[in-house]
Amino acid sequence: GQQVMQIPQYQHVQEGEDFTTYCNSSTTLSNIQWYKQRPGGHPVFLIQLVKSGEVKKQKRLTFQFGEAKKNSSLHITATQTTDVGTYFCAGVMAGANSKLTFGKGITLSVRP
Amino acid sequence: ETGVTQTPRHLVMGMTNKKSLKCEQHLGHNAMYWYKQSAKKPLELMFVYSLEERVENNSVPSRFSPECPNSSHLFLHLHTLQPEDSALYLCASSQETPPSYGYTFGSGTRLTVV
Repeated sequence: GQQVMQIPQYQHVQEGEDFTTYCNSSTTLSNIQWYKQRPGGHPVFLIQLVKSGEVKKQKRLTFQFGEAKKNSSLHITATQTTDVGTYFCAGVMAGANSKLTFGKGITLSVRP
Repeated sequence: ETGVTQTPRHLVMGMTNKKSLKCEQHLGHNAMYWYKQSAKKPLELMFVYSLEERVENNSVPSRFSPECPNSSHLFLHLHTLQPEDSALYLCASSQETPPSYGYTFGSGTRLTVV
């Protein structure tokens, strides 16, 4: 079945460093979404990408959808301690009767 | 709050108990979902309701029984659970399914089965 992969599952950075993580799908996606879950919290929708090669920015966060619509990246510039949490990507497979499939997420810790 | 309210926030139950989780959304969404979140596992989709009709049941054991009496309310009835069912149970809603613009999740119910 459809798989959405996020590797690694954990990453530790020094505050102020940049951080990039990737999401890869085994199949072409119609759209991809990113969520953030703070420790002890619930996933919160961040953004959706639909078009091939699309790039969207939210303050220090930059999201990109691959040209083939099978991968996506999240880049955080100059990480802060408030960026701590687990970032999930979730993709909807192209075609009918598709559903949103979540990756395992990457848990980011930031050393002050 | 998120617009999706889940109660209770925490629940401890014995393996012979019967309990229910409740979810209510105030967003006018047409689709509601139950997800299970266990440590070190992806979010597991359990049930999907669209316009109060169940459209997906992901091979969930019968000890979990969903109910959607209207488009704003979703329940998950629990009975004779196992310790491995301990997890965070998340309710979510979206305008349609699959979501064209993201889910809104509730805060979750942290379930412990003893």
